[in-house]
Amino acid sequence: DTAVSQTPKYLVTQMGNDKSIKCEQNLGHDTMYWYKQDSKKFLKIMFSYNNKELIINETVPNRFSPKSPDKAHLNLHINSLELGDSAVYFCASSGGILRETQYFGPGTRLLVL
Amino acid sequence: AQSVTQLGSHVSVSEGALVLLRCNYSSSVPPYLFWYVQYPNQGLQLLLKYTSAATLVKGINGFEAEFKKSETSFHLTKPSAHMSDAAEYFCAVSDRSGGSNYKLTFGKGTLLTVNP
Repeated sequence: DTAVSQTPKYLVTQMGNDKSIKCEQNLGHDTMYWYKQDSKKFLKIMFSYNNKELIINETVPNRFSPKSPDKAHLNLHINSLELGDSAVYFCASSGGILRETQYFGPGTRLLVL
Repeated sequence: AQSVTQLGSHVSVSEGALVLLRCNYSSSVPPYLFWYVQYPNQGLQLLLKYTSAATLVKGINGFEAEFKKSETSFHLTKPSAHMSDAAEYFCAVSDRSGGSNYKLTFGKGTLLTVNP
């Protein structure tokens, strides 16, 4: 069973479009995160949700809107996509006794043309 | 603010040789420290972590790391490299301010190549 899953795995789209990436975890964790990995492999946190409540928002453009329908899901919607949004987006989750440890999904590779 | 510095964006070793990947951190409070590995086109897999128990931490695939507070370092080592170790390695720190969130701050990564 996949602990943290993301869909889609690949996403190719045109500038100006709106797209969503979905994340689900079956670990029973109460905290979920979105990270962005740029073309130089640098990883930076974007958002964090705890029990469906936004906790961390790291100076991300308003075009990015996370949504957490329940503790097991954290989706990322991106409006008016720009070339600079091309990256790999990783979802992660943590919780329980070892809540300092984050488990990552396989990533969604977004290419904006 | 926390930060992580990984010395050497690319490390190349021969199969069977010692692997040493360097990580230094900056944190105002004792941190949690992690090493993650990323194989090509895959997600991040946790190798090991330091959470204030033993300073020498053993992880998966024969890797270990030693927390040295005086040097603010958390270097990753493996006695004998295997071809399958070729990957990108990330050192990360999260603070203990806790609550429900532990934001990870990553280093820029070190690409390990293993030569036959």
